[in-house]
Amino acid sequence: QVQLVQSGAEVKKPGASVKVSCKASGYTFSTYGFNWVRQAPGQGLEWMGWISANNGYTNYAQKFQDRVTMTTDTSTSTAYMELRNLRSADTAIYYCARGGGHEFSHSDYWGQGTLVTVSS
Amino acid sequence: DTVMTQSPDSLAVSLGERATINCKSSQSVLYRSNNKNYLAWYQQKPGQPPKLLIYWASTRESGVPDRFSGSGSGTDFTLTISSLQAEDVAVYYCQQYYSSPRFGQGTKLEIK
Repeated sequence: QVQLVQSGAEVKKPGASVKVSCKASGYTFSTYGFNWVRQAPGQGLEWMGWISANNGYTNYAQKFQDRVTMTTDTSTSTAYMELRNLRSADTAIYYCARGGGHEFSHSDYWGQGTLVTVSS
Repeated sequence: DTVMTQSPDSLAVSLGERATINCKSSQSVLYRSNNKNYLAWYQQKPGQPPKLLIYWASTRESGVPDRFSGSGSGTDFTLTISSLQAEDVAVYYCQQYYSSPRFGQGTKLEIK
């Protein structure tokens, strides 16, 4: 069965970076892509970007263009999302979700989420 | 950016009754070359990640009960729960993935 298992909670200081991992299993990794979505406490869902697990092509939301890097490692079937220059407004649960093989796709399987807390 | 607006923000429905949630996009999400609406619906229960219910506006995800249905085209869409069950209490989100994906603000569904 398809599973996405994310790394554990993180606490970071303002200005620092965080890298969240998402290990996939139960399907052919390179056939799909990954959407990254975040949710601030008590708020709605916000799409951050997408990465192809086939060729590493990325499409980032304009809001995060200069602070986010998404990568994949096909040898370990793991996707990564790094967010730099953290501020308190980045405190949120970060989700990876399996997307289609192209940049505009719905997400059919989701990780359990990783809470990132940014606090001085 | 294509902005998604859901209505209502919250909804209380009696068990066994019909629940209807609306979603309006600021631009059409119908891709004419394949005649598909790039619109999905998700359900999120407290402390859980979202769950895909409907994609291409009206295709039910495998395993989703058939009391959930999606309809609409272009800019106006609807999620209908035909007979509300207690386990359907959740927040529901629509999402367009025609262009830079955006979610609606969410609709909180409760039991009356």
